[in-house]
Amino acid sequence: DIQLTQSPSFLSASVGDRVTITCRASQGISSYLAWYQQKPGKAPKLLIYTASSLKSGVPSRFSGSGSGTEFTFTISSLQPEDFATYSCQQLKSYPLTFGGGTKVEIK
Amino acid sequence: EVQLVESGGDLVQPGGSLRLSCVASGFTFSDYYMDWVRQAPGKGLEWVGRSRNKVNSYTTEYAASVKGRFTISRDDSKNSVDLQMNSLNTEDTAVYYCGRLLNNAVDVWGQGTTVTVSS
Repeated sequence: DIQLTQSPSFLSASVGDRVTITCRASQGISSYLAWYQQKPGKAPKLLIYTASSLKSGVPSRFSGSGSGTEFTFTISSLQPEDFATYSCQQLKSYPLTFGGGTKVEIK
Repeated sequence: EVQLVESGGDLVQPGGSLRLSCVASGFTFSDYYMDWVRQAPGKGLEWVGRSRNKVNSYTTEYAASVKGRFTISRDDSKNSVDLQMNSLNTEDTAVYYCGRLLNNAVDVWGQGTTVTVSS
């Protein structure tokens, strides 16, 4: 199985901060990586697909990059509504797997 | 509006069975792969399984943790995909989500349905 290691698992940041989350795959997954945002008690929402493609309607402050085994998710200027948990998912091979999540909290 | 609505979650005893349903609207259901994903209390997301579309013979994939116990089926005439769960144990306690696959990601999620396995 492909393991996804997300870091950090928790981060505290202020409105306006630039936030970067890393997702490392245990083997190469090309660009078959997605990023989701989840707020407490709610379903996840897709933000980024195929590593760097922004889903339509998602603010441009969200971005993703990387391929192979190293991926980065960035929020260029953190907004109050961005405080949530972010998770990566690999869709290269079965079983599909998720990273452990990164909880972004208000400093 | 594109929408997925899950139902069927309940409290069930260990060893019991439960069937979850996910009904789609607002898109051509038969064209899409559909996934089930779960989230145990306080834990991360876990992929459960996948139903491919008719073009791909409705084949399925499962996580090792549920293979042999869970079965995904779909009825394109009803725009629905079901998750039949047998031999449930406490580790299956979770919120279960169905999701639509597009561009190699789950682009639409249901609101989730809660399954609690407890005596």
